[in-house]
Amino acid sequence: EAQVTQNPRYLITVTGKKLTVTCSQNMNHEYMSWYRQDPGLGLRQIYYSMNVEVTDKGDVPEGYKVSRKEKRNFPLILESPSPNQTSLYFCASSPRGSRPQHFGDGTRLSIL
Amino acid sequence: GENVEQHPSTLSVQEGDSAVIKCTYSDSASNYFPWYKQELGKRPQLIIDIRSNVGEKKDQRIAVTLNKTAKHFSLHITETQPEDSAVYFCAASISGDKIIFGKGTRLHILP
Repeated sequence: EAQVTQNPRYLITVTGKKLTVTCSQNMNHEYMSWYRQDPGLGLRQIYYSMNVEVTDKGDVPEGYKVSRKEKRNFPLILESPSPNQTSLYFCASSPRGSRPQHFGDGTRLSIL
Repeated sequence: GENVEQHPSTLSVQEGDSAVIKCTYSDSASNYFPWYKQELGKRPQLIIDIRSNVGEKKDQRIAVTLNKTAKHFSLHITETQPEDSAVYFCAASISGDKIIFGKGTRLHILP
């Protein structure tokens, strides 16, 4: 079954404690991307990757890092989380030259 | 940078009627315009998209129109059904890389 898997689904943590949200896809897609969703603000792109070792900033990259060492994985790293990063996060993947097509189920992060 | 405005923020229509959601974008270089549907507590789903070399695209009860000159694009849902109730997002992108979303429209289908 084609899917994008995010882990964890829920996380409550404290300010400054580094965390990583993993994202994995099994469709051999070139394009992967991360979004955050906040009430009233819709979806905002954080980072995207066109292929292995190719990443670029989206609309709201501050405070986040990503890496793309393998085609299937695209982890989102918060080196020093702050309360304003409390949000619902989605990872997505797409075939080449396409769009965010397959989304994961989301990760709800609470930074206290 | 690109900015996408979406209207209305909330829309209520009678079951069986049509619904129209409108978006405008600012960057004339944008050439790809997808629409997403998100049901409560679920992930967004791509429902239809249009590229800048096409003025209209239809898929069963859903259609999207694009006016490049005015930088407007719209989602049209005909013969609305209860399962159409959701939040709909438009987006604009240059070649599908960096993508900017509208803030969403909550569509209510009234019985």
